[in-house]
Amino acid sequence: NAGVTQTPKFRILKIGQSMTLQCTQDMNHNYMYWYRQDPGMGLKLIYYSVGAGITDKGEVPNGYNVSRSTTEDFPLRLELAAPSQTSVYFCASSTGTGVSNQPQHFGDGTRLSIL
Amino acid sequence: KNEVEQSPQNLTAQEGEFITINCSYSVGISALHWLQQHPGGGIVSLFMLSSGKKKHGRLIATINIQEKHSSLHITASHPRDSAVYICAVRQETSGSRLTFGEGTQLTVNP
Repeated sequence: NAGVTQTPKFRILKIGQSMTLQCTQDMNHNYMYWYRQDPGMGLKLIYYSVGAGITDKGEVPNGYNVSRSTTEDFPLRLELAAPSQTSVYFCASSTGTGVSNQPQHFGDGTRLSIL
Repeated sequence: KNEVEQSPQNLTAQEGEFITINCSYSVGISALHWLQQHPGGGIVSLFMLSSGKKKHGRLIATINIQEKHSSLHITASHPRDSAVYICAVRQETSGSRLTFGEGTQLTVNP
């Protein structure tokens, strides 16, 4: 199993450009998450999804959009890139809550620079 | 004040030393996670606990729910343990979402 796969690994954008960060998982997890990690800061939740067709905002959703048309894929869209969106982005998935209380599985990250 | 506080922020040790990283939180939780972020950036889950103590190899994680505090211990530390260690909590009111500490950068010198 590949686990959680993120593409691309690195990207440089100009201010105002748009792009989509791809995330796919092959573990049949219902829950998926997008985080950003800024230097010296803890991971911040951007958006999350509890299943196909269901998404919700996290702590820092402004400037981003997501969709969840399938269980496997959870792309993150930046419509008008701004320098404040320079960060490392992580996608994660889990089976969700409940007695099992499973851990989150993380992708390797996408390092995004907006210039 | 952050809901999850880790200490120290940075820690340098000599190979073989016993390491302790601390995590304090200010909210009600259903679980606490310890994660390891490798120098290359990848993040892996080390432990998930809601009470007591868990051990995996040279790593031990403990939690005291009454004191809202957890510790991660590394025995016989090795340079390959050098990484950022992250504490995260699953709050009682937030479903599956995690709130993260800022991480502790550990460097183990040979």
